[in-house]
Amino acid sequence: SQQGEEDPQALSIQEGENATMNCSYKTSINNLQWYRQNSGRGLVHLILIRSNEREKHSGRLRVTLDTSKKSSSLLITASRAADTASYFCATDDNQAGTALIFGKGTTLSVSS
Amino acid sequence: KAGVTQTPRYLIKTRGQQVTLSCSPISGHRSVSWYQQTPGQGLQFLFEYFSETQRNKGNFPGRFSGRQFSNSRSEMNVSTLELGDSALYLCASSFYKAPAHNEQFFGPGTRLTVL
Repeated sequence: SQQGEEDPQALSIQEGENATMNCSYKTSINNLQWYRQNSGRGLVHLILIRSNEREKHSGRLRVTLDTSKKSSSLLITASRAADTASYFCATDDNQAGTALIFGKGTTLSVSS
Repeated sequence: KAGVTQTPRYLIKTRGQQVTLSCSPISGHRSVSWYQQTPGQGLQFLFEYFSETQRNKGNFPGRFSGRQFSNSRSEMNVSTLELGDSALYLCASSFYKAPAHNEQFFGPGTRLTVL
């Protein structure tokens, strides 16, 4: 089952620009996580935001969570070519218990 | 600390065969989860283990099975391989149980091709 859905599916920007990716989910959640995957490799954890938090920062990353709209956004500021990757949101799921359920991801391409 | 390791990294099998994939978590981590990643279905949850107990299983047929050993290493087995089983199989570990509540550390994956 797919809990989260990222939007857009693909995003192309220039170095130095900001990149915003959105994630919508269907059922109530306890936490939402964002991960990055470079070209078919393993995933790297970026941020975990809990349902009682509205915003969280980590370096050039800013994540917001709106539980009333069942949505989250990931903002990468001042993008670099090295940010080129796929980005996934992941949440828990009422049916899957504490398993992590991923969306289909946003593919970000940053050109120099 | 060494990261999560998965072996083998690449595997080619034919339909009907079976395969065993291995995952060694970060030292001290007791939670191991497995995921299948395909272009069509994306990342799908397979299993979750904590201290040798399977806590959760995803919506996969019985051909997919797994286990965790006392040293937290985990294996997954796929029997009677089908073409659709071709995928990147990812393993993740964490210290605490409940992957949805904790940062997961992923291995590089095993790329399985079924011919």
